[in-house]
Amino acid sequence: NAGVTQTPKFQVLKTGQSMTLQCAQDMNHNSMYWYRQDPGMGLRLIYYSASEGTTDKGEVPNGYNVSRLNKREFSLRLESAAPSQTSVYFCASRIQGYGYTFGSGTRLTVV
Amino acid sequence: QQQVKQSPQSLIVQKGGISIINCAYENTAFDYFPWYQQFPGKGPALLIAIRPDVSEKKEGRFTISFNKSAKQFSLHIMDSQPGDSATYFCAASRGRGSTLGRLYFGRGTQLTVWP
Repeated sequence: NAGVTQTPKFQVLKTGQSMTLQCAQDMNHNSMYWYRQDPGMGLRLIYYSASEGTTDKGEVPNGYNVSRLNKREFSLRLESAAPSQTSVYFCASRIQGYGYTFGSGTRLTVV
Repeated sequence: QQQVKQSPQSLIVQKGGISIINCAYENTAFDYFPWYQQFPGKGPALLIAIRPDVSEKKEGRFTISFNKSAKQFSLHIMDSQPGDSATYFCAASRGRGSTLGRLYFGRGTQLTVWP
C-alpha cells in the first residue's frame, strides 16, 4: 500500500520552462489537494479536487493549472516557471471527515 | 485572511519537559481539528485530531485541549523527547456534512527538544 506517490522528488527548472508534477493515490480517496510549503508560510493550498471531474482554486493558484485525470491521479502544471515558484510541493488525498494523507513532496528550484 | 493562527513559530524545550503549541480559529463552522507532525524532508503526517464535542483527547504523550467558547485548541507534548523535534501544524475544517473537507493550516511551529 503506497499511499500518495509524488514524482519527481527533485527538479531544477530554468525560468520560463514548463513542467508537470505528478500525484497518484491508491486509497480510493475522493478528494485530492496540492499545497506548497515555504519557510514561515506554512502550507498554502494551490488547487484542490473534491471529486473526480472537479477542480477548484485554493489560496495561491496563479501560475498553476491542474488536471484530475481520474480518481487516482491529480497533476499540477507550471506553464512558465518563475523563481517565486521555488518551493516544496505536497500532494494530499482525503476521505470525507478524516485527515489528509500527504505524499513525500517535490522540491522544485527555479533558476 | 488566515483562518487558523498558530503560535509560537518556534519552541525550544528541554528533554522531559512539556511542549505547548497553541492555535486559534474564527470560523465557528469548523468541526474537525487535526495536528500534523513533519520531519525534515518528509511530508506532514497526521498526529492526533479532535472534534468539538469533547474538550480533551489524549494519545500517549500527546494531548489536544479544546476550548470551544474561546475558539482555541492546543497541543501538549508531555515528557518531550529529542525524537519529537519536528515541525507541528494545527489545522481545521468542516469534516461533516461537507463534500469538500478542505483543511486550513496554521503556519507551523518548529519544535526543538534538547537532550
